Amino acid sequence: KQEVTQIPAALSVPEGENLVLNCSFTDSAIYNLQWFRQDPGKGLTSLLLIQSSQREQTSGRLNASLDKSSGRSTLYIAASQPGDSATYLCAVRVQGAQKLVFGQGTRLTINP
Amino acid sequence: GAVVSQHPSWVICKSGTSVKIECRSLDFQATTMFWYRQFPKQSLMLMATSNEGSKATYEQGVEKDKFLINHASLTLSTLTVTSAHPEDSSFYICSARIEGPKRNSPLHFGNGTRLTVT
Repeated sequence: KQEVTQIPAALSVPEGENLVLNCSFTDSAIYNLQWFRQDPGKGLTSLLLIQSSQREQTSGRLNASLDKSSGRSTLYIAASQPGDSATYLCAVRVQGAQKLVFGQGTRLTINP
Repeated sequence: GAVVSQHPSWVICKSGTSVKIECRSLDFQATTMFWYRQFPKQSLMLMATSNEGSKATYEQGVEKDKFLINHASLTLSTLTVTSAHPEDSSFYICSARIEGPKRNSPLHFGNGTRLTVT
C-alpha cells in the first residue's frame, strides 16, 4: 500500500528566504508525482507535475525534483513571499491506478 | 487551462436531509472524476472514482448507499450525501483529468464544498 509522508508538517520562515519542502513515498512504482497548493477553505491548485521518467520540473520560483528510486521529492521555493503562505500537498499516482495518494501536507507561513 | 467547477461552495443542512454536490469540467471532457473528502487539518482521502455511464468505484470503508454518485455526462458528476448526519460534516472536493493521449496529465481540482450538518 502506497504511503506518502510530508515533512515538516508546518514551517514558518521570514520573507525572502529560500526553502525546501519534502515528500517521501513508499512504493516507487508510480506514474507521476504532483505538487499542489491549498489555501484555507479552498480547493487545490496544481503547481508542478513530474512524470516518473523525469528528474525535475520548474515553474517560476518553484522547482520540484523527483528521485523515484529513493522515493523522495522536494519542492524548492526561491525568494519566498507572504503570498506563498498556504498548505502544500504532494501526491503520487500509483502505476495501474487512476487515483492519487496524498501526503498530509506542509503548512507554510511566510512572515513579512 | 483546465477548469473544474464545483457547486455549491458551502452548504448547511439539517440532520436527516440529503445534499447534492455538483462537479463540472468546464472546458474538457472527463470520463473519470474523483471525489475526495478532507477533514480539518488533514489530507485528502479518496472516497470514490466516478465513471461516466457506469457505476462508481468506492474506496474501502465508504458507504455507497450513503454517498450516491452519478456521472451522467462527460462533463458532470454529482455526489449526493443521503440522510446526512453531523459526522458527515467535512470538505468535499472533486477532481478530473483531461482524457485522451495525455494519460499522465495532471489532476485538476474544484474549489471544494464545505458541508455542515446541524
